[in-house]
Amino acid sequence: DAGVTQSPTHLIKTRGQQVTLRCSPKSGHDTVSWYQQALGQGPQFIFQYYEEEERQRGNFPDRFSGHQFPNYSSELNVNALLLGDSALYLCASSEKVTKETQYFGPGTRLLVL
Amino acid sequence: RKEVEQDPGPFNVPEGATVAFNCTYSNSASQSFFWYRQDCRKEPKLLMSVYSSGNEDGRFTAQLNRASQYISLLIRDSKLSDSATYLCVVNRRRNTGFQKLVFGTGTRLLVSP
Repeated sequence: DAGVTQSPTHLIKTRGQQVTLRCSPKSGHDTVSWYQQALGQGPQFIFQYYEEEERQRGNFPDRFSGHQFPNYSSELNVNALLLGDSALYLCASSEKVTKETQYFGPGTRLLVL
Repeated sequence: RKEVEQDPGPFNVPEGATVAFNCTYSNSASQSFFWYRQDCRKEPKLLMSVYSSGNEDGRFTAQLNRASQYISLLIRDSKLSDSATYLCVVNRRRNTGFQKLVFGTGTRLLVSP
């Protein structure tokens, strides 16, 4: 049984570019949350998807957008990249909205030059 | 003020020592609480949930004080493999049922031979 998977593992972009990160949730999970973890900080909540809709959002600008597909996988898109967007991007999945335990994928490490 | 505050450490302890981490949270609406462990350049993994009655898992004991909005983690008989960052996490559930994890910055533990 595969856990949460994310791709790519690493990515290097330049300022102003756009990036798409991908996540496949753990089997049986239908809710996907995205987090940004800057160096030396804890993960910060970006947004959460359930039934292909964004259900709640953290304090991130509109440059951060996402999507959830019918198979529950999800994408995180970031437009007009800034140097400060360099971070580890984590995807977490959970089984149904009310289940508390979230399982994290290995993350995508994004470097913006 | 951050919603979840932890001492970033590092805590340097010898093998076999007992070490305690503390965490405070500011939102009294927080409903459930966790400790996650994060190894260097890896994803966070759930260590244990935290209950008001206190709970123990082997060498690990977690405690919640809702009145003081304070969470603790005690590690007994520290092992080299306990070296990691320990993240204090609170979960807030909205009226819609959707949940959001709020992380502290983490406390780094280094166990030496």
